[in-house]
Amino acid sequence: EAEVAQSPRYKITEKSQAVAFWCDPISGHATLYWYRQILGQGPELLVQFQDESVVDDSQLPKDRFSAERLKGVDSTLKIQPAELGDSAMYLCASSLASGRDTGELFFGEGSRLTVL
Amino acid sequence: GENVEQHPSTLSVQEGDSAVIKCTYSDSASNYFPWYKQELGKGPQLIIDIRSNVGEKKDQRIAVTLNKTAKHFSLHITETQPEDSAVYFCAAISILHYDVYSGGGADGLTFGKGTHLIIQP
Repeated sequence: EAEVAQSPRYKITEKSQAVAFWCDPISGHATLYWYRQILGQGPELLVQFQDESVVDDSQLPKDRFSAERLKGVDSTLKIQPAELGDSAMYLCASSLASGRDTGELFFGEGSRLTVL
Repeated sequence: GENVEQHPSTLSVQEGDSAVIKCTYSDSASNYFPWYKQELGKGPQLIIDIRSNVGEKKDQRIAVTLNKTAKHFSLHITETQPEDSAVYFCAAISILHYDVYSGGGADGLTFGKGTHLIIQP
């Protein structure tokens, strides 16, 4: 069964350091999302890509966060510099987004970030 | 933007009993309402969804109801089993009409804060 791949699963870093997360969506899925999930809360959208284009990054803290999906396939989310409040699970999801059947998101297992 | 409220935050039921989780949404344009189950250390997984042209949908022991007028939807789990223990999230989204030039797509899902469902043996 096709899955959304994410790495690393766990990352511990000190504040002010740079961190990067990688996501490989299900093959053929044009839409890719990065969500942040703080412990005990629901996921919150950070950025949405349609192929290689950013559709929505209104909730992305652009002073320290960046995301790219250069070839419209895999994606990288970067934080520089990391702050204590960035500790969370970073979830990647993808969907077909091709007409009226769009909507179902397939999530990866997430990258858990701890900032010390 | 959309705002989704979910209740309760924790729900404990006896094995075999039913569980109900309720959500409300604010954006009348939302037309797709999925429910996700998240087990410890894993990403959310879709368990059932409903679109705004349907009032109820059922899949074995789980069902979802939607009241568009009141802007609320609920998840019902009957004959609960230990493996139903998890965190459940409701979500809402406005799916854009398919556009051949933009390739269709949807705004990002807005999630509720989650319900920790505990099944007592």
